[in-house]
Amino acid sequence: EVYLVESGGDLVKPGGSLRLSCSASSFNFSIAWMNWVRQAPGKGLEWVGRIRSKTDGGTTDYAAPVKDRFSISRDDSKNTLYLHMNSLKTEDTAVYYCTTQRGFFDLWGRGTLVTVSS
Amino acid sequence: DIVMTQSPDSLTVSLGERATINCKSSQSVFYSSNSKNYLAWYQHKPGQPPMLLISWASTRESGVPDRFSGSGSGTDFTLTISSLQAEDLAVYYCQQYYSAPWTFGQGTKVEIK
Repeated sequence: EVYLVESGGDLVKPGGSLRLSCSASSFNFSIAWMNWVRQAPGKGLEWVGRIRSKTDGGTTDYAAPVKDRFSISRDDSKNTLYLHMNSLKTEDTAVYYCTTQRGFFDLWGRGTLVTVSS
Repeated sequence: DIVMTQSPDSLTVSLGERATINCKSSQSVFYSSNSKNYLAWYQHKPGQPPMLLISWASTRESGVPDRFSGSGSGTDFTLTISSLQAEDLAVYYCQQYYSAPWTFGQGTKVEIK
């Protein structure tokens, strides 16, 4: 069975940094385009950012609220996706999901909770 | 950015009855070169990750019960649950993947009467 497992969520103070990881299993991670999607408490789903496969350039795109603060990277040798979050704000509090993308988001992890609070 | 607007925000339906959720995009998500609508529907149950139900506006994912169907084109789309079951209690989201940033509707909460 294919799956994604996120980790790294924590309580962090405003202005702080955090790195989330997403471990992939049972599919060819290296050719997958990977995304992060978040859900703030009581809110809907919000796309955060994407990284293409290395064969497709390995480039990234970000949503406006996180651009210049968040970055996405991948280690295909470890089948792992990362979300590097800097200058965190209270409004970044959310469950963060990693997803595969074939246009639409077809495989989702169970998410990891990030809480930004003083 | 393409804005996705769902209606209603919540829906209460009796078991066995039909549930209909509408989704409108601020611009067309139909790509004429391949005649496809870049529109997906997800089901999100409490404590679980979202699950892809329908892609390309009307293509049901493998394993999704056939009581779920999607329709529409251009800017107006509908998700229909033909005969609501207890396990369908969830929030449903539409999402466009026509152009970045990928955007979701605000969600429609389906409750059982």
